[in-house]
Amino acid sequence: DAGVIQSPRHEVTEMGQEVTLRCKPISGHDYLFWYRQTMMRGLELLIYFNNNVPIDDSGMPEDRFSAKMPNASFSTLKIQPSEPRDSAVYFCASSLLRDSYNEQFFGPGTRLTVL
Amino acid sequence: KNEVEQSPQNLTAQEGEFITINCSYSVGISALHWLQQHPGGGIVSLFMLSSGKKKHGRLIATINIQEKHSSLHITASHPRDSAVYICAVRSPSGGGADGLTFGKGTHLIIQP
Repeated sequence: DAGVIQSPRHEVTEMGQEVTLRCKPISGHDYLFWYRQTMMRGLELLIYFNNNVPIDDSGMPEDRFSAKMPNASFSTLKIQPSEPRDSAVYFCASSLLRDSYNEQFFGPGTRLTVL
Repeated sequence: KNEVEQSPQNLTAQEGEFITINCSYSVGISALHWLQQHPGGGIVSLFMLSSGKKKHGRLIATINIQEKHSSLHITASHPRDSAVYICAVRSPSGGGADGLTFGKGTHLIIQP
């Protein structure tokens, strides 16, 4: 398997623009997570899905952020409008089954820079 | 919300030394992960454990549930072990997010 795939790997945009990050989880995994990493705050959970349904979005910073999972093999994280403080690395991770032993597999991340 | 503390924040050691990284958390968990992040930024899961001890090659992870503490050990350290090591915990099922809460990471440098 190719692992978790994220695109783009790097994104540079200007403040106010819409940004869409994409993730393809490992085939067969039923959990998908979006994380954000910054120097100041480290890694933080934004939202996670189980069987394509959003379970907990309490980590989403504000209404400018939205995430969807239209099917088991694709998810998007959208920021509209983007702001410089959104600059971070965004990781997608997937896992199989909801038990104490499921392991999360991380994608390579998308490095977002908002000017 | 679980608070995850790691120590030390930075560690520089000589090749061959025995390395210990510590992690403590404030609330009961269902699982604890040790992750490795290389300078290129990719994150790899090293261990996931909920009790006892696990070993993989030169890496050993232990957890003490009563004390809410885990350690990651590296034996015979090598420059290629240089990375950021991150501790992350998962809350018990039904009590909240299944997503991970992360420590700030330990930046390890192994000098030849």
